[in-house]
Amino acid sequence: DSGVTQTPKHLITATGQRVTLRCSPRSGDLSVYWYQQSLDQGLQFLIQYYNGEERAKGNILERFSAQQFPDLHSELNLSSLELGDSALYFCASSGYYRGSYGYTFGSGTRLTVV
Amino acid sequence: DAKTTQPTSMDCAEGRAANLPCNHSTISGNEYVYWYRQIHSQGPQYIIHGLKNNETNEMASLIITEDRKSSTLILPHATLRDTAVYYCIVRALYGGATNKLIFGTGTLLAVQP
Repeated sequence: DSGVTQTPKHLITATGQRVTLRCSPRSGDLSVYWYQQSLDQGLQFLIQYYNGEERAKGNILERFSAQQFPDLHSELNLSSLELGDSALYFCASSGYYRGSYGYTFGSGTRLTVV
Repeated sequence: DAKTTQPTSMDCAEGRAANLPCNHSTISGNEYVYWYRQIHSQGPQYIIHGLKNNETNEMASLIITEDRKSSTLILPHATLRDTAVYYCIVRALYGGATNKLIFGTGTLLAVQP
């Protein structure tokens, strides 16, 4: 257990639908990051939140949005889903741990759009 | 962030040391070198990081050249479970600012029995 919890682990949905992916960061971490990994592709940075505020945006589609709540958990909302949105979605959190700054990843959510 | 260059793939015999190189010739003085690995479809796993001194932990050793333009990750006794994509990432630490990790294509290490 890395300390970063992602739910659900698997999600199958139809084109045009909307889904929400959830991430609980490691205890004490204020930053949350979302990444997308399509089949046989690299990890693409989507968006970062720090203590409830958006800090950085990557190649995130307008159909996608995210937020971080006061308890620091984050949700990634994907709407008007297309077949090409099928991918692994990873969440990571960062912070100081044992005196060193590090990043911890969750086990991901596998999204399949049919 | 400084760009890194890694070989696309490498093979290693089980039980032997795996040495994974990384070039980061444009690294700045405040940038750390991080290594992560991703075993098939799992979340990236932290291995080690360093600034300028060599580092060792229970998983690996990190050797950074004196000019910091390149580094080598060493897995001392590779096992089949070490087969994964290894990512070398250079990142400055700002603590709370925009400090995302940007992943390149990494090196696919295949440990052979």
